[in-house]
Amino acid sequence: KAGVTQTPRYLIKTRGQQVTLSCSPISGHRSVSWYQQTPGQGLQFLFEYFSETQRNKGNFPGRFSGRQFSNSRSEMNVSTLELGDSALYLCASSQGGSGANVLTFGAGSRLTVL
Amino acid sequence: GDSVTQMEGPVTLSEEAFLTINCTYTATGYPSLFWYVQYPGEGLQLLLKATKADDKGSNKGFEATYRKETTSFHLEKGSVQVSDSAVYFCALSGSTNAGKSTFGDGTTLTVKP
Repeated sequence: KAGVTQTPRYLIKTRGQQVTLSCSPISGHRSVSWYQQTPGQGLQFLFEYFSETQRNKGNFPGRFSGRQFSNSRSEMNVSTLELGDSALYLCASSQGGSGANVLTFGAGSRLTVL
Repeated sequence: GDSVTQMEGPVTLSEEAFLTINCTYTATGYPSLFWYVQYPGEGLQLLLKATKADDKGSNKGFEATYRKETTSFHLEKGSVQVSDSAVYFCALSGSTNAGKSTFGDGTTLTVKP
């Protein structure tokens, strides 16, 4: 059973650019969540998509956006990059129904903004 | 809103020592509680979970008991190994907000031979 796949694994951008990260969930999982991990702020929830709809949203500015496709694959986009956006972006998938929300994480996309 | 507080790290132990990492939470309703572990260069992976009060989650020698009266979910292991060196995250998923999980800040454990 394939795990959660995130691409790209590493990328370097400059301030003002935009970036798109991709996440392929485990087959059969309908929920995809995105988290930002930094040494100072820990693991911060960005948003969660379920059946192509944003179901939950964290406290991030509008520069951070996402979407989910009919095959449950998800993308997140960060526009007008700032130095503080440098982080490990983690995607996690789950079945998304009621009950315990067990997450399966990808290895992450490490973004460096120069 | 929901929140999770973990004991601050880092924690350094000798091999075969006893491990406790404290975790307390604030949530409405009856959340499910989790411990995730992150090894260097990897994403998080589920270590154990408990879905109702007094449940004990266990895996790979690690245990945690869901204590509703103290809103706690402390992680314990009787004898740690060098291979247990990793970052440990306590987390909850709320009963009233399916799909959103809240994480603690993580505790870095280093086990020395």
